[in-house]
Amino acid sequence: GAVVSQHPSRVICKSGTSVKIECRSLDFQATTMFWYRQFPKQSLMLMATSNEGSKATYEQGVEKDKFLINHASLTLSTLTVTSAHPEDSSFYICSARPTGAQETQYFGPGTRLLVL
Amino acid sequence: QKEVEQDPGPLSVPEGAIVSLNCTYSNSAFQYFMWYRQYSRKGPELLMYTYSSGNKEDGRFTAQVDKSSKYISLFIRDSQPSDSATYLCAMSDSGAGSYQLTFGKGTKLSVIP
Repeated sequence: GAVVSQHPSRVICKSGTSVKIECRSLDFQATTMFWYRQFPKQSLMLMATSNEGSKATYEQGVEKDKFLINHASLTLSTLTVTSAHPEDSSFYICSARPTGAQETQYFGPGTRLLVL
Repeated sequence: QKEVEQDPGPLSVPEGAIVSLNCTYSNSAFQYFMWYRQYSRKGPELLMYTYSSGNKEDGRFTAQVDKSSKYISLFIRDSQPSDSATYLCAMSDSGAGSYQLTFGKGTKLSVIP
């Protein structure tokens, strides 16, 4: 149980284009999902907290207009990197918190984004 | 001072050794403590979860939390090459109901056959 999927697993795009990443909780409902970014040999950096049916809460320094988050259902959250640039290249990981289990998070396998 | 300190390693041990991984933290409000295992280019996998102080054992893994010292540990017995990964400690509190996780940098472990 507690499986989280992400799609795509890897994406290469041209500078200026937008990329959408999906995060799904497959066998549980998640009122809250989180989006992280991880640079090589670094720990996970929380970008935003996504709550179903409401606006996401962004961490300081994260541009909400650049990283659009939509949490339309209890099993799906999406992150759209708009007008991507090479500095946005990174490993993006989502996690989902099962509804009713406030303290645990289950992570997706990550999406590797390369912007040329 | 960072909220969570974790030695990044790398740590190399022979197969069968006992591995000890540790984190220290400064925020006394942390109540929930987790260890995640992350293989290269994969998402973190929840290994152990502990609430407050004490020990928890699951197979070859034992997690310890000492809140008085603000120190947590993960022990791996009879280590296997498949245990080679980066181990991340994470912790959270219930402040403001957010339960956001604060991660250590991760310790890279290699178990040599």
